[in-house]
Amino acid sequence: GNSVTQMEGPVTLSEEAFLTINCTYTATGYPSLFWYVQYPGEGLQLLLKATKADDKGSNKGFEATYRKETTSFHLEKGSVQVSDSAVYFCALSPGGFINTGTASKLTFGTGTRLQVTL
Amino acid sequence: NAGVTQTPKFRILKIGQSMTLQCTQDMNHNYMYWYRQDPGMGLKLIYYSVGAGITDKGEVPNGYNVSRSTTEDFPLRLELAAPSQTSVYFCASSYLAGAEPQHFGDGTRLSIL
Repeated sequence: GNSVTQMEGPVTLSEEAFLTINCTYTATGYPSLFWYVQYPGEGLQLLLKATKADDKGSNKGFEATYRKETTSFHLEKGSVQVSDSAVYFCALSPGGFINTGTASKLTFGTGTRLQVTL
Repeated sequence: NAGVTQTPKFRILKIGQSMTLQCTQDMNHNYMYWYRQDPGMGLKLIYYSVGAGITDKGEVPNGYNVSRSTTEDFPLRLELAAPSQTSVYFCASSYLAGAEPQHFGDGTRLSIL
């Protein structure tokens, strides 16, 4: 079956530090890959996505590249801010950009808590 | 534009009680989902629906029931609450399957004592 493995947290960084959160996946075919962010007391929000190999998703200074050869989708940001403190979830959806009539059952990683300090 | 709205935000139940978690979306999405989030475990899919009148089990459906009588609403029912159901519950919706992102509500924190 499908699975997503994320690096365990918490990750504590000083403001303006470089961030990497590792994510690797196991899936058949050509899944779509996502990063979601959860701020305290809120639901998950889509941060970025990539739907095929070598695609780079980007948003709010965060980037992740879909690497099929290493089955990875690592999240990076060049300079984190205190406001980036949150839990980050890597997720995959099987089947790519297809309206199959069946719901896209997201498989989530366990989440990585990021804390950024001044 | 409310998106996905869940009620209540918090609830404490006694063992054996029942309750319904409400979820409604105003984006005219066909696909709706219920997840539970346990500490350090990520999100697990409980039930999902591909349209009004159609529901199916996810990864952890035992102890729960759902219905989908309208496009907008997707309530989750706990019939006999058990301590193992203490969790944070999230409802989500999406327009399409596959690469289309899911939109999440703010969650319901449920404690069973």
